[in-house]
Amino acid sequence: QVPLQESGPGLVKPSETLSLTCTVSGGSINTYYWSWIRQPPGKGLEWIADIYFRGNTDYNPSLKSRVTISIDSSKNQFSLNLKSVTAADTAVYYCARGASSFGPWGQGALVTVSS
Amino acid sequence: EIVLTQSPGTLSLSPGERATLSCRASESVSNNYLAWYQQRPGQAPGLLIYDASSRATGIPDRFSGSGSGTDFTLTISRLEPEDFAVYYCQQYGSSTRTFGQGTKVEIK
Repeated sequence: QVPLQESGPGLVKPSETLSLTCTVSGGSINTYYWSWIRQPPGKGLEWIADIYFRGNTDYNPSLKSRVTISIDSSKNQFSLNLKSVTAADTAVYYCARGASSFGPWGQGALVTVSS
Repeated sequence: EIVLTQSPGTLSLSPGERATLSCRASESVSNNYLAWYQQRPGQAPGLLIYDASSRATGIPDRFSGSGSGTDFTLTISRLEPEDFAVYYCQQYGSSTRTFGQGTKVEIK
């Protein structure tokens, strides 16, 4: 069983908001930091944001103006919203445990930005 | 932000050989807070090494990390077939966590 699982639409239109949820299984979300990381097709990895169960957040400055990360402890989930998307936001989006080193990771969700 | 440069871009080796991967930082990585990940095709990355030299849970001892400051190395002592993959370094010594661009270890 994969302990983290991303879910959300696989296709988002330009200028709209990308929304993803990560469900954590096999343990409480109220223990660790949790992060979102993305990987454009055929390219490298980019850290997006992290959150602690108390609500403390940190964002990559390059994306901070467009990103919101949130947590719902009652559902053992955390979420990512990325607004005003463009084709450059097309990527596999991973959720992961941790805010320093990351592990384990979800299997990833491919999100394509296209009209 | 700290830029991590990995070399070489591709490493062509045979099973049983030793692999040495380099990660150089644009400035000193605080407390040697550097991690290494393995990513096989179609899979998510997996944590191998953290704090520059500590193996993550379940990682075989053929994987080792070393280095400090701006220069870090991942060594695979004897390549197994499942080790042919892409490897990324990542620093968490500064508030903006960054990754290197990756080194592909391919079968020669």
